[in-house]
Amino acid sequence: DQQVKQNSPSLSVQEGRISILNCDYTNSMFDYFLWYKKYPAEGPTFLISISSIKDKNEDGRFTVFLNKSAKHLSLHIVPSQPGDSAVYFCAASVLNTNAGKSTFGDGTTLTVKP
Amino acid sequence: EAQVTQNPRYLITVTGKKLTVTCSQNMNHEYMSWYRQDPGLGLRQIYYSMNVEVTDKGDVPEGYKVSRKEKRNFPLILESPSPNQTSLYFCASSSLSSNQPQHFGDGTRLSIL
Repeated sequence: DQQVKQNSPSLSVQEGRISILNCDYTNSMFDYFLWYKKYPAEGPTFLISISSIKDKNEDGRFTVFLNKSAKHLSLHIVPSQPGDSAVYFCAASVLNTNAGKSTFGDGTTLTVKP
Repeated sequence: EAQVTQNPRYLITVTGKKLTVTCSQNMNHEYMSWYRQDPGLGLRQIYYSMNVEVTDKGDVPEGYKVSRKEKRNFPLILESPSPNQTSLYFCASSSLSSNQPQHFGDGTRLSIL
């Protein structure tokens, strides 16, 4: 059973518009969520995170929203830029247990068109 | 520069021929981990280590071994590789302090014929 799901394998948006990437989870024990970004031929790099005590975290053009009751989080990129084209992985973990162990989603490939 | 280094980056080999993928980090991280990435399956954890001489199975450990004799190194060993282990492999490390994200290597693409 996949505990973290990214139901959209791909997303295409126009430069300057908003990109919204979604992630759903099933394990109610998860209390810390991360987004990673991956370019071809490189490893994933950390982008932004959110703890379950918050419902929003913002870092520049990137904002992550968490809806605990729906077990859903989303990553908003505004405005989208061609350099944002990459694979985005959602990850979830349980703090204070096995720190560092995250469960990853399948990834969403974002294409931002100039 | 803080980094996780994997070698080799690419390897084509044959079934049954033992191979080792090395992973080294220079950030003094306690936690290290191996993942494999397959189409439609995301990143799945193979093994992880919380510190020297402490290793444990992840979600897909079958057919793999690891060791953690030094803090900086965490090699992945395939004693008898099979074609279903053809995949893209990532090593990662992180501090065990709260809320620390993982740092990933650039990946090793293994093809087992």
